[in-house]
This record gives sequence, C-alpha cells and structure tokens, in this order.
Amino acid sequence: SQQGEEDPQALSIQEGENATMNCSYKTSINNLQWYRQNSGRGLVHLILIRSNEREKHSGRLRVTLDTSKKSSSLLITASRAADTASYFCATDRIQGAQKLVFGQGTRLTINP
Amino acid sequence: EPEVTQTPSHQVTQMGQEVILRCVPISNHLYFYWYRQILGQKVEFLVSFYNNEISEKSEIFDDQFSVERPDGSNFTLKIRSTKLEDSAMYFCASTAQETQYFGPGTRLLVL
Repeated sequence: SQQGEEDPQALSIQEGENATMNCSYKTSINNLQWYRQNSGRGLVHLILIRSNEREKHSGRLRVTLDTSKKSSSLLITASRAADTASYFCATDRIQGAQKLVFGQGTRLTINP
Repeated sequence: EPEVTQTPSHQVTQMGQEVILRCVPISNHLYFYWYRQILGQKVEFLVSFYNNEISEKSEIFDDQFSVERPDGSNFTLKIRSTKLEDSAMYFCASTAQETQYFGPGTRLLVL
C-alpha cells in the first residue's frame, strides 16, 4: 500500500502559534501534495513538493520532504482561526496514472 | 480563477436507484478523477480517465459504477443501483500535469 499517514490525528493550539503536521508513506513517490478540507467541504490544494525537492514555502506554509525516511511535514506559522480544518497529505506514484493516495488527515483546531 | 464544479451539491436517493453525479473539470485539463469520502474516513480513489477512456480504477469501482465524458465539458459518474454503503461525499478532480484540483463534492445519501 502506498498509504500516506498523518500524525497527529488531532492538534489543538492557540492562535498565533505554529502548527506542525507530519505525513509518512510507504512506497516511492513522484510528488507529495497537501490539501485542506474545511468541515464537510471540498479539498483545497495547498502545496505540491516533488520527490527531488526537500523544502518548499508558500506564504505561511512550509513543507519539507525526506524521501529517505518517506516522510513530509507541513508547518503553518502564525496560525489563525481560519486555519481550523483537516489537513491531508496525498502521494502519487512514479509511474502509472496519477491517482492520489490520501492519509487519514490531521484535524487542526486553532483556538482564539 | 478556473475551478472544478460539481452538481448536485446534495442528493438523496432510495437504495436500488440510479444516480448520476456531474462534474465540469477545468477546461484545459486532460486527466479526470473521481474520489469518494465516507463520513469520517479518508478520501479514496475510484477512477481516473484520460483520452476518453478509463486509465485506472480501484476495487471500489465495480460494475455498478461507470464514468462518461458525454461532451467537451462534462464528466459524469453513474451508480446504477445504489447501496446503503454508497453514501459518501463524491469528489471530482482534474489536472493538466501534476496538481489535482478538486470540486466541492456531491454529498450522496442512500436510504
């Protein structure tokens, strides 16, 4: 299985603090993507990191990828109440169709 | 900014009925997907579609499911005879190369 698995399953922090979520996977990947999902809503793409990249930034987001450990982390700096959501990592394989395999997600709650 | 759209947003149906979920992918995208998310569970891949044919499908995508691109814009998922366990959020996605963009989903409830 290629499953991406996030930890922690749930994270609750105060507004302004940084939030770090981790993702692990089992097989070789082509890309790893992070998505956000507000409760009962669609998936919003946050950032894509390629297997030959180690770190990527987008606004308050910082993603790292360690292919030797088959893991990635998503850091949200200076969190806001609006960041409250579930965050998923998703991976696709080197060959074949680009289906995404999602992890279980981390439920992030930002307390005002 | 272009986005993937899906209709309907919600659908309630009786077990055994046929449903068709509709999606309009982003116009210049070539790869299309359906995923589903049972309440409280992870997002699961159903099927990918490229060049007017299925390129990959999961074990979930059995003979009760079918996909179609009837014209240049729509991409549909049909469930022929719905079961209770088909109740889920169904997401359509499309991509030009790497990043998959998801629609807002159709929440299907089978009674």
